[in-house]
Amino acid sequence: SQQGEEDPQALSIQEGENATMNCSYKTSINNLQWYRQNSGRGLVHLILIRSNEREKHSGRLRVTLDTSKKSSSLLITASRAADTASYFCATTPLNDYKLSFGAGTTVTVRA
Amino acid sequence: DTGVSQDPRHKITKRGQNVTFRCDPISEHNRLYWYRQTLGQGPEFLTYFQNEAQLEKSRLLSDRFSAERPKGSFSTLEIQRTEQGDSAMYLCASSLDRGREKLFFGSGTQLSVL
Repeated sequence: SQQGEEDPQALSIQEGENATMNCSYKTSINNLQWYRQNSGRGLVHLILIRSNEREKHSGRLRVTLDTSKKSSSLLITASRAADTASYFCATTPLNDYKLSFGAGTTVTVRA
Repeated sequence: DTGVSQDPRHKITKRGQNVTFRCDPISEHNRLYWYRQTLGQGPEFLTYFQNEAQLEKSRLLSDRFSAERPKGSFSTLEIQRTEQGDSAMYLCASSLDRGREKLFFGSGTQLSVL
């Protein structure tokens, strides 16, 4: 079964706008990661946030983590056509090493 | 290219046939994972290895599925007597043996069972 759930399932925005997607998970975690997947390709790691961190930035990406609500958000600022992809959150539960993925958010950036 | 490589990229087979996929992880990575992904869903964990030892198998991995990682290097995933429900993208990933770190994924093998 999948640990996380992303919201929304799909998002369509204009180039230059910001894109925000959310992830909720069920059990306590060691860390939460976000991955991007272009159509028909493998996943690429974007950012990892540990359970004792609340916010993290990487380039145009901003991730927040609220362990009390078991939720995370990914913000992509100033989106580009190349950001068109599916975005997945993945969690590592306590006492476990494997990542569990959500169903993903499909982002379409219109030129 | 020092990333994770998977072969083949695409496989079309008839129901009942056996198929085998190969994954070559990043050379210094001890951990190797197999995931399965169907359209519109996130990857689902199948199994993982630390070096040559298979440490965990998902309940998704029926008796028709077997994975090996001889000598702790490349890995193979074999599906026997394929069924239409096995059609999916099979993803391999590797990571350093620090636990809970980021995974490096290959491009996947897309299996279509006719």
